[in-house]
Amino acid sequence: DAGITQSPRHKVTETGTPVTLRCHQTENHRYMYWYRQDPGHGLRLIHYSYGVKDTDKGEVSDGYSVSRSKTEDFLLTLESATSSQTSVYFCAISRSDGPPKYFGPGTRLTVT
Amino acid sequence: QQQVKQSPQSLIVQKGGIPIINCAYENTAFDYFPWYQQFPGKGPALLIAIRPDVSEKKEGRFTISFNKSAKQFSLHIMDSQPGDSATYFCAACNAGGTSYGKLTFGQGTILTVHP
Repeated sequence: DAGITQSPRHKVTETGTPVTLRCHQTENHRYMYWYRQDPGHGLRLIHYSYGVKDTDKGEVSDGYSVSRSKTEDFLLTLESATSSQTSVYFCAISRSDGPPKYFGPGTRLTVT
Repeated sequence: QQQVKQSPQSLIVQKGGIPIINCAYENTAFDYFPWYQQFPGKGPALLIAIRPDVSEKKEGRFTISFNKSAKQFSLHIMDSQPGDSATYFCAACNAGGTSYGKLTFGQGTILTVHP
């Protein structure tokens, strides 16, 4: 998937536990994004980063935080997971002159 | 609030047919409209994109038609093949120079092309 890896690929966790998802890129792209995909909703932007330590909120950011300490890594944290955060999470990267060409392989998160 | 509405939810065509997927948007600030293709178990991949200053764009068998006054755009797949069976998403953004990735997606269309 064009230099984007996500870990873990699958995770089952309990309500109230913290969870961190990792996105790693080898393309040296400036922009990184976290989206969630749910049936009937398409993909929705959670947070994005436009540089190291530069992040901003997306459409559905409540309950999520992010960090980017290196160009290649973008972390998504669920501070206290809830069942409504059961979803497939996709990371994407892009340069400044166009949309993401590829998304990562996704992380399927189940909160029980 | 769903700002990009996509239809139909699912579509079945025979090989060689021309499936058409439609999208409508509300936000007049949107100025960039990509389409993504997603195969099962994979992340979406950019297929084709259009800006509102043109009414049509073709790339291979894929064509986007754009109607700015109606705030609608559509994807046509010419001579469809079984390998085109996938989920297709339209999207929109206010590119503004650096915001191409802040996409608002439609709900998706599951396309099945029978041999």
